Amino acid sequence: DVKVTQSSRYLVKRTGEKVFLECVQDMDHENMFWYRQDPGLGLRLIYFSYDVKMKEKGDIPEGYSVSREKKERFSLILESASTNQTSMYLCASSWGLAGAGSYEQYFGPGTRLTVT
Amino acid sequence: QKEVEQNSGPLSVPEGAIASLNCTYSDRGSQSFFWYRQYSGKSPELIMFIYSNGDKEDGRFTAQLNKASQYVSLLIRDSQPSDSATYLCAVNPSSGYALNFGKGTSLLVTP
Repeated sequence: DVKVTQSSRYLVKRTGEKVFLECVQDMDHENMFWYRQDPGLGLRLIYFSYDVKMKEKGDIPEGYSVSREKKERFSLILESASTNQTSMYLCASSWGLAGAGSYEQYFGPGTRLTVT
Repeated sequence: QKEVEQNSGPLSVPEGAIASLNCTYSDRGSQSFFWYRQYSGKSPELIMFIYSNGDKEDGRFTAQLNKASQYVSLLIRDSQPSDSATYLCAVNPSSGYALNFGKGTSLLVTP
């Protein structure tokens, strides 16, 4: 079974703090993704990575950065947390298709982040 | 803009009935299609994928794909209260790496 794990299920941080969310997958997937999910807005892609040290911006990258130093690990960084970053954060991974695209994505359990 | 559209619902069906969930997509070059189930407070879980036109059955679930009409659906037979969840449709884009997700349809199965 594919397993995607995230470092925390619940996290509470203060405005202005630097926040690290970590994601680890055990299936040797090429692609990894970070989403946030808010009521009524669906899943929104923040960043993704299609190889080690490779990253691309998604739809809402502002206020976030990412790091992928090893194939199995993809980190999301909130440089200076703000209250509008309170959300459910979901990591996903997938095998990559040659050239572009993805096979099915598998999600981690999510981190519910509250910024006060 | 590569859009995936779903009726937000809620779709309410009685226990034992067939639930029909629909999804349309705009990217004509898309080749693979996925259905995810998401319980409240949990992460999405893959339940079906379909690549070819026609029907694909897996237990009580049937995925249907019509690429000419850019339409994909999920049928749930003998619906159970445990099927109450939000169902997300996802489409592999013709370019790019990430699946395009719809906002989901909320399904409520009433006893």
